[in-house]
Amino acid sequence: DILMTQSPLSLPVTPGEPASISCRSSQSLLYSDGYNYLDWYLQKPGQPPQLLIYLTSNRASGVPDRFNGSGSGTSFTLKITRVEAEDVGVYYCMQAVQTPRTFGQGTKVEIK
Amino acid sequence: VQVEQSGAEVKPPGSTVRISCKVSGYTFTEYYLHWIKQAPGKGLEWMGLVDPEDDGSVYAERFQGRLTITADTSLDTAYMELSSLTSEDTALYYCRTGGSTNGFDMWGQGTMVIVSS
Repeated sequence: DILMTQSPLSLPVTPGEPASISCRSSQSLLYSDGYNYLDWYLQKPGQPPQLLIYLTSNRASGVPDRFNGSGSGTSFTLKITRVEAEDVGVYYCMQAVQTPRTFGQGTKVEIK
Repeated sequence: VQVEQSGAEVKPPGSTVRISCKVSGYTFTEYYLHWIKQAPGKGLEWMGLVDPEDDGSVYAERFQGRLTITADTSLDTAYMELSSLTSEDTALYYCRTGGSTNGFDMWGQGTMVIVSS
């Protein structure tokens, strides 16, 4: 199974400031089609997870452009250019290159 | 597009639970249907998936032998059956559908399963 490791696990943020979450995989997420199969989810309290980013850097429909994903191979990053109060919750990375799908431990983002 | 899960369940240890996930608004056979477990206060754990087109399934190793995921194309509904329940199975269970390459991704509201005598 591919092990996904996120850091930090807790991230206090100031509204208007940038934030960054790292996700590393134990194996490359590069598939034969040239894409890195890494997704980012945000789970707000009391809600199911919602897709933010798919295939490393593509924003899902309706996701604000302050969310940006990057990376390749085994190292990936989610950046929020200017955090807003509505961005609080737990962020998960997930690899979709093979089964079993595996998630990172989650990064809890909260306002300072 | 809607993904509607069945209601909460309370089950005794050793029993079996069956949760349903009904989809609407898209072609049921177009995407795999995944099941994800979230224990109280914990992260997300992928359990398995079903391909509604041929009812083929793939399971995470730690659930092998007691997990069955099926799909009924006549009802546009998938089912997750987990047997030999223990307190460790107390969790919120989500179904999720969508592709990995096009950003289509929909989750059910979650079904709470409590295992208690």
